[in-house]
Amino acid sequence: QQQVRQSPQSLTVWEGETAILNCSYEDSTFNYFPWYQQFPGEGPALLISIRSVSDKKEDGRFTIFFNKREKKLSLHITDSQPGDSATYFCAASSPNYNQGKLIFGQGTKLSIKP
Amino acid sequence: DPKIIQKPKYLVAVTGSEKILICEQYLGHNAMYWYRQSAKKPLEFMFSYSYQKLMDNQTASSRFQPQSSKKNHLDLQITALKPDDSATYFCASSQGSWGNAEQFFGPGTRLTVL
Repeated sequence: QQQVRQSPQSLTVWEGETAILNCSYEDSTFNYFPWYQQFPGEGPALLISIRSVSDKKEDGRFTIFFNKREKKLSLHITDSQPGDSATYFCAASSPNYNQGKLIFGQGTKLSIKP
Repeated sequence: DPKIIQKPKYLVAVTGSEKILICEQYLGHNAMYWYRQSAKKPLEFMFSYSYQKLMDNQTASSRFQPQSSKKNHLDLQITALKPDDSATYFCASSQGSWGNAEQFFGPGTRLTVL
């Protein structure tokens, strides 16, 4: 059962545009949602995260919008740069997972055209 | 300096053999994890350790055995290797093992089983 889903699978935007990456989940107990950025041949790097008590989290050009009622969140990357080209993973965790387990989506591969 | 070291970077093994994947973290964290990433599946949680004690095991097979000789070490022994074990294995760590503790990932070991 896929508990965390991401869309689209791949996305191409022009440099300077806003890229929007979507994530949805099924488990209503999920309360922590980190986003990871992964470049080829490297490990995932924590980019930004949000807890379910908030509906928005901003860090520079990266913003998470969270809709608890619809069980959806999105990552907005404004002023996209070629260096942002990477695969982005949405993950989720539940207080029921007190052993630290993260559930990952399948990822969105983002390409920025210069 | 890398904060999480995984060795080796690449590993080729023959079916039926045994290998050990090494992970050391220098972040001062007390919780460590193993995840697996393959072309067929997103990042999958395997194990979590806290203060060198196993907290959660999500692998169905006893062929996968984590080993923690020191607080900042969590190695992964894999026995009777199968081609399906081919994947990139990531070690991660966090301060605390509760669900919303920030997890940081190592660069991974890419295992190919022939």
